[in-house]
Amino acid sequence: AQSVTQLDSHVSVSEGTPVLLRCNYSSSYSPSLFWYVQHPNKGLQLLLKYTSAATLVKGINGFEAEFKKSETSFHLTKPSAHMSDAAEYFCVVNRAGSYQLTFGKGTKLSVIP
Amino acid sequence: GAGVSQTPSNKVTEKGKYVELRCDPISGHTALYWYRQSLGQGPEFLIYFQGTGAADDSGLPNDRFFAVRPEGSVSTLKIQRTERGDSAVYLCASSLTTGGAKNIQYFGAGTRLSVL
Repeated sequence: AQSVTQLDSHVSVSEGTPVLLRCNYSSSYSPSLFWYVQHPNKGLQLLLKYTSAATLVKGINGFEAEFKKSETSFHLTKPSAHMSDAAEYFCVVNRAGSYQLTFGKGTKLSVIP
Repeated sequence: GAGVSQTPSNKVTEKGKYVELRCDPISGHTALYWYRQSLGQGPEFLIYFQGTGAADDSGLPNDRFFAVRPEGSVSTLKIQRTERGDSAVYLCASSLTTGGAKNIQYFGAGTRLSVL
């Protein structure tokens, strides 16, 4: 079985300050891990993915995430928040060889001007 | 089109009615998935198609839900005798391949179903 826990349902940051969205996962097998972003009335967009290559993964729009197996974590970070980053973010796990994505409950990011 | 297209974007129906939700995947993608996203939750898997066949329908909540993909492209999710608890956003995704690192699923904007 696999599961994802997003530790914060809502994160609020000021524009220009760092962003940290926390995610812990549980998987019986070597997982693939993803972060997706969902803007209102738009489809889920892939930010980045971890697939057992480099543990530090760089994604689009300046986001990156670090896979830490010992901590079973895959936190998403960005050095400086922009207003356009305000959205809902989902951490997702996919067991190796599987097609089912298991989503966390999401973290809503608010960016204050 | 360039992305996954879902129609309608919004659907309001009355309890007990039948509804159909359509998904048009990215051209050339053989795998197609349906997910359901309830308010305040992440999407949950419903069903997966490889080509025309439903390879895994284990996520469908009950026999009122059914999905087809007769020609291996467009898919329709069908809900009979709708209940208020069916209200959610229904998401469709497609991918070029399945499994692990290459399983990049591309999502549509979803259909928001409201059952009154």
